[in-house]
Amino acid sequence: GESVGLHLPTLSVQEGDNSIINCAYSNSASDYFIWYKQESGKGPQFIIDIRSNMDKRQGQRVTVLLNKTVKHLSLQIAATQPGDSAVYFCAERLTGTASKLTFGTGTRLQVTL
Amino acid sequence: DTGVSQNPRHKITKRGQNVTFRCDPISEHNRLYWYRQTLGQGPEFLTYFQNEAQLEKSRLLSDRFSAERPKGSFSTLEIQRTEQGDSAMYLCASSQAGDTQYFGPGTRLTVL
Repeated sequence: GESVGLHLPTLSVQEGDNSIINCAYSNSASDYFIWYKQESGKGPQFIIDIRSNMDKRQGQRVTVLLNKTVKHLSLQIAATQPGDSAVYFCAERLTGTASKLTFGTGTRLQVTL
Repeated sequence: DTGVSQNPRHKITKRGQNVTFRCDPISEHNRLYWYRQTLGQGPEFLTYFQNEAQLEKSRLLSDRFSAERPKGSFSTLEIQRTEQGDSAMYLCASSQAGDTQYFGPGTRLTVL
């Protein structure tokens, strides 16, 4: 199948370990952040989001942390599974725009057995 | 499946031809977005609609690109006189107001 990202930073983790994917966002005026998962040949799939008035949000097996001081976002995946293998993108939305998302470069997560 | 759908999934065309893609959003969503994604990159915003009104267009959307959402439901993206640089994945997303954007599977365009 075709590859979503050929030269992306890659994180390799063993099945069952926890994964941490990091993202540096660009604009201090952004008020909303999202993590998407993209498998080869498919569109981005929503994982979790967080607003700028929060610094942590938890979902099922995933946690997003937001550090506005250093403009850093991270996605933690607990007990990583083979099905988690994909490219992960963070995206930000500027305050007041209510429209476009600006995506980061993406990180490829490889889960080894 | 009640998610965002896009047609066709793949399109191969010769340089200079016109192509049109269709996006059907999630039915209750009033906002619809088009993005373009090239290999190794994240999606880049092209344009968005609130109902039938096109409210924002990116500088990436050259004069050869036009998007419509005539009845506030499905949308079409047309590229005229295609160029090899137009080869990319064209993604559609929809949302209810400013909430989470949900993406479709994309249309992969290859311009020969």
